[in-house]
Amino acid sequence: QVHVQESGPRLVKPSETLSLTCAVSGASISSVGYFWGWIRQPPGRGLEWIGIINHGRATYYSPSLRSRATISVDTSKNQFSLDLRSVIAEDTAIYYCGRHKSGVDWFDPWGQGILVTVSS
Amino acid sequence: QSVLTQPPSVSAAPGQKVTISCSGSNSNIGNSYVSWYQQLPGTAPKLLIYENSKRPSGIPDRFSGSKSGTSATLGITGLQTGDEADYYCGAWDHSLSAGVFGGGTKLSVL
Repeated sequence: QVHVQESGPRLVKPSETLSLTCAVSGASISSVGYFWGWIRQPPGRGLEWIGIINHGRATYYSPSLRSRATISVDTSKNQFSLDLRSVIAEDTAIYYCGRHKSGVDWFDPWGQGILVTVSS
Repeated sequence: QSVLTQPPSVSAAPGQKVTISCSGSNSNIGNSYVSWYQQLPGTAPKLLIYENSKRPSGIPDRFSGSKSGTSATLGITGLQTGDEADYYCGAWDHSLSAGVFGGGTKLSVL
């Protein structure tokens, strides 16, 4: 059974970089046909698609976050990461990671999520 | 403003049927598969329907999905109080080269 788990700082100062890692277990991050991605949800609001990456480091990003977001993969540790630069208060959200099926575009499973607050 | 449009809320009595719509365009739903996610209060979203109408293992057949043109519909029959949740649709948008979600629909089982 595939399992993904987010980790990282829960408090980030404005203008700094939000860095999160997603550990994958039960599957290889190099699995053919899958990407690995990030989604976020501001408190009390809906889901926002951030971006995805595969083992070959092909990436796709939401246009609204492309200039500030970088997703990377570490196949040796079977994990992938998100860096979001120059954060503002509006980046406060629960950040989820998940496995994404390429070509048919669904996320499963999802991590439990990690609430990251941007505040000084 | 979400790329995919869902009603903010729907409600129905226990045992009844409800449908949730998801409207898009030819750049997303019209030329992509649609997935649906259930988010119970205080939990992470869970895949409910994938590839328009398929159910993952463990999802009861009370849940169904369909797609026609640039719209998709989630149907839930035999409503239970445990179905109270937020439901989201998702699809790939070829113009954006990115995935998109609907704004979410809150289901109340009265």
